Amino acid sequence: QVQLVQSGAEVKKPGSSVKVSCKASGGTLSFYGISWVRQAPGQGLEWMGGIIPILDITNYAQKFQGRVTITADESTSTAYMELNSLTSEDTALYYCARDPRDGYSRFDYWGQGTLVTVSS
Amino acid sequence: DIQMTQSPSSLSASVGDRVTITCRASQRMSNYLNWYQQKPGKAPKLLIFAATSLQTGVPSRFSGSGSGTDFTLSISSLQPEDFATYYCQQTYTSPFTFGPGTKVDIK
Repeated sequence: QVQLVQSGAEVKKPGSSVKVSCKASGGTLSFYGISWVRQAPGQGLEWMGGIIPILDITNYAQKFQGRVTITADESTSTAYMELNSLTSEDTALYYCARDPRDGYSRFDYWGQGTLVTVSS
Repeated sequence: DIQMTQSPSSLSASVGDRVTITCRASQRMSNYLNWYQQKPGKAPKLLIFAATSLQTGVPSRFSGSGSGTDFTLSISSLQPEDFATYYCQQTYTSPFTFGPGTKVDIK
């Protein structure tokens, strides 16, 4: 049974960066896609971007282009999402999610979420 | 970007009711449409993918239909554990946009 375990909550100052990790247990990340989705307090879901580790291909939403970097370490089955130049509007719960990449992209396993709070 | 809309934004229903939620895309996208359920404080859960395929382990009272631009999620007989927020998502093209959500609560 695949489980995605994310790093703990973060409190950051405006203008700083945050890096959130997502470790897969019970399986490998390599052949799948990993996407990052965020949810601001009381709001809906927003796709930020994703990576296919075995191909080292990344794809970012235009909104976050230049400010987000998604990477993966296949040796530890861990994906990372780094977001720079944080503002209060980046305060949100950040989720990683697995895409099985078998013909129809979908997110079948999700991490537990990491709360990032941006506050001076 | 493909814009997704959902209707209604919220609904009140009773246990045993049949519930239908609609999702509309701003452009045609074949059947690249997924549905998720989210309960407070929890990560979303995949219910339906490719518009009509039931995810493993999801009860058969959930079903999806549609193609092109118009899609529906139906719950045939609402159960207490189904009170949640439901999101559609398109994966036809990047960015993989979500609908704004439909909150289903108890009447």
